[in-house]
Order: sequence, then C-alpha cells, then structure tokens
Amino acid sequence: AQSVSQHNHHVILSEAASLELGCNYSYGGTVNLFWYVQYPGQHLQLLLKYFSGDPLVKGIKGFEAEFIKSKFSFNLRKPSVQWSDTAEYFCAVNAAGSGTGGKLIFGQGTELSVKP
Amino acid sequence: EAQVTQNPRYLITVTGKKLTVTCSQNMNHEYMSWYRQDPGLGLRQIYYSMNVEVTDKGDVPEGYKVSRKEKRNFPLILESPSPNQTSLYFCASSSRGPPVSNEQFFGPGTRLTVL
Repeated sequence: AQSVSQHNHHVILSEAASLELGCNYSYGGTVNLFWYVQYPGQHLQLLLKYFSGDPLVKGIKGFEAEFIKSKFSFNLRKPSVQWSDTAEYFCAVNAAGSGTGGKLIFGQGTELSVKP
Repeated sequence: EAQVTQNPRYLITVTGKKLTVTCSQNMNHEYMSWYRQDPGLGLRQIYYSMNVEVTDKGDVPEGYKVSRKEKRNFPLILESPSPNQTSLYFCASSSRGPPVSNEQFFGPGTRLTVL
C-alpha cells in the first residue's frame, strides 16, 4: 500500500532562515507528487507538483521541490522564509495513470511557524 | 471563478441526528472525493467518485455515505453521526483529462462537531 511520511511535525524558524521539509513515499510504480499548503483557517492550496521531466520543480511563492527517485523523496525547500509562510504543509502522492483523476495519499503534515 | 464549494462551513450537531454536507464544483471535473483531516493524521480519503453514479470507498468509509447523481455535486451523508466523526472535512475534485492533471482542487472545508 502507498504511504507518505513527513519527518518533521513542527518546524520553527526565524524570518530569512532556509527551509527544507522532508517527504518520503512508498510506492514501486510511477507517481505524481504534490505539496499543498494550508494557511490558518483556510483550505488546501497547491504549492507545486511533479509529474515528469525535470526533477527540480518550482512552485509559487518561491518554493521548490526536488524529486529523487532513488530515495523515494520529494523534499520541499525555500531559501528564505517569511512570516507569511506560517502554515501547515502536506506532501501527497498518487499513482500516475492516464486519466485516472486519482486518490491522493497525504503525509501527516508539517506545521511551520516563522518568527518575525 | 473555478471553485469547489461546501456547505455548511461549520456545523455542531448531536449524536444520531442525520446530516448532509454538500459539495459542488463548477469545473466539469469527473473525479470528486471527500477527505477528513485530523491532527497528526493528515488527510484521509472517505469516499470518491470517478463519475456520475460511480462511487467507491476510500480508506475510512465507515459511518458515511455519498451519492453522485449529477456531475457537479457530491454530497456526504452521515446517517447517524457519532463523536468520533468530529473532524474537518474537505471535498476535492479533479479532471480525468485530457489533459491529464491529477491535481485536486479543494473546497474550503466543513468543521463538524458531534456532541
């Protein structure tokens, strides 16, 4: 069965610090990978996604993620965080397939708190 | 504006009183899904639907029902709610392509409390 593991449950950083959130998945086939962000009191929004091609994916608000197939990882990074990045971050995976829509398997989430 | 809407946004109810949470999308998406979000567990899928009249169980379907009579609507029904169904619920939809996307669009969430 597919599973997704996010290693950090709560991360506290100061503004301008660099961020890396870990995400590992278990699935032997081809996958689509996503990072979603949930700001306090709001719904999930897509930060970035990887389907194929360049394993370094750039998303909105200066976030990027790198897919390392050999490590089954899809870590999220940002060189310099801002107070407004305070949110919960979810890594999600689904099995790639043409036109399936597809169930997302979510990690447990990482709460990021950025101190001004 | 492309969106997924849910109603109500907040609901407090009592054990055993049937309730329905509505979900509607205006993107002509075939795939719709319900998730519940609980602290430390992330989001878990309750039910999903690949198209009209096609529904299937997700990972945590016990105590829930769904229907998909129209493409745009996917209501979640709790016939006899219990306190362990207190949670934050999200509806999501996505296109089955073309183009293939698999990106799911989420509704604003429904916070349910069962006393």
